[in-house]
Amino acid sequence: LAKTTQPISMDSYEGQEVNITCSHNNIATNDYITWYQQFPSQGPRFIIQGYKTKVTNEVASLFIPADRKSSTLSLPRVSLSDTAVYYCLQEAGYALNFGKGTSLLVTP
Amino acid sequence: GAGVSQSPRYKVAKRGQDVALRCDPISGHVSLFWYQQALGQGPEFLTYFQNEAQLDKSGLPSDRFFAERPEGSVSTLKIQRTQQEDSAVYLCASSLVRVRTDTQYFGPGTRLTVL
Repeated sequence: LAKTTQPISMDSYEGQEVNITCSHNNIATNDYITWYQQFPSQGPRFIIQGYKTKVTNEVASLFIPADRKSSTLSLPRVSLSDTAVYYCLQEAGYALNFGKGTSLLVTP
Repeated sequence: GAGVSQSPRYKVAKRGQDVALRCDPISGHVSLFWYQQALGQGPEFLTYFQNEAQLDKSGLPSDRFFAERPEGSVSTLKIQRTQQEDSAVYLCASSLVRVRTDTQYFGPGTRLTVL
């Protein structure tokens, strides 16, 4: 069973900022939070990973508060091509535990 | 190659047939993983190789499932006597080293349909 909880689906318009929140109340000291993106008919693709505070790369930002019981993936100015399923993972080992993810639909 | 490749991309099998799914990981990647993704679900872990050694097969759903990586590069997932519940997308992933937080790179998957 997935250790994290995230919304099943979200909708957004092009150009908006999208924030997807994930709950991981039982996170362990050694766990990292990792987000993957999956397009239809493709395998998941790594987006970003963090332990605490804020991490930013060319694709997204990841905010993790001090208690680490939740995290927020922020996608700035989404486009139609950002329509995908986004998975929040609480990594405790090499076997990734994906859950059902959040299906993001971006419309014009 | 530039990424993980899998073949075939689509496979249709009659119930009871054996199938073999191939994975070519990124050159030089030590670790290789197989996942199963049912429709509308996230991928679920099946098995893990470090070079040619199968270190974890705890996710294989039954003894009809068998995976190998004899030379530490290409891997094959074999399913014997396929059943309808085996219908799913089978994803292969590889990572450079065996580090817990190392990024896994996924292939496009093989969609298996058992009739």
